[in-house]
Amino acid sequence: AQSVTQLGSHVSVSEGALVLLRCNYSSSVPPYLFWYVQYPNQGLQLLLKYTTGATLVKGINGFEAEFKKSETSFHLTKPSAHMSDAAEYFCAVVLSGSARQLTFGSGTQLTVLP
Amino acid sequence: DVKVTQSSRYLVKRTGEKVFLECVQDMDHENMFWYRQDPGLGLRLIYFSYDVKMKEKGDIPEGYSVSREKKERFSLILESASTNQTSMYLCASRPGLAESYNEQFFGPGTRLTVL
Repeated sequence: AQSVTQLGSHVSVSEGALVLLRCNYSSSVPPYLFWYVQYPNQGLQLLLKYTTGATLVKGINGFEAEFKKSETSFHLTKPSAHMSDAAEYFCAVVLSGSARQLTFGSGTQLTVLP
Repeated sequence: DVKVTQSSRYLVKRTGEKVFLECVQDMDHENMFWYRQDPGLGLRLIYFSYDVKMKEKGDIPEGYSVSREKKERFSLILESASTNQTSMYLCASRPGLAESYNEQFFGPGTRLTVL
């Protein structure tokens, strides 16, 4: 069965510092991988996704993630945090070719300190 | 822009009441989903539907049912609300049938409190 683990339920960074949010997955077949962001009092919004091809994926708002098969990881990074990045971030996985279901991680709340 | 709307942002109900949560999407998407979101647990899939009148159980269907009579509308029903169903409920839609790599589009959520 597929699963997603997000290390760190809360992460704090200073404005301008590197953002690193960790995601590891468990899957016996090649997965599709997603990062979603949820701003306060809103639904989820797609940041980026990996399906096939280039393993470094660029998303919106300066975020990127790298698919590392050997490490079963899909960590999210941003070189310089902005106050507006404060939100909850969810990693999610779908087994390629499977029936339509996203499995979400438990989420990481990002706080950006001035 | 894809739009997914949910009938209420906040809802307060009493134990034992029948509760309807409505979700409407305007982009002709085949797939629709209901999740509940709880702190520390992420999003958990309750039910999904890949076509009108079709439904499949997700990971936590107990205590819930769904209805999809029209393509654009997907309703979540709590037959007899209980306090452990107090949660944030998120609806989502996604285009395509087998294209599970497509993005899901989420509504703003309904925060349900059951007293």
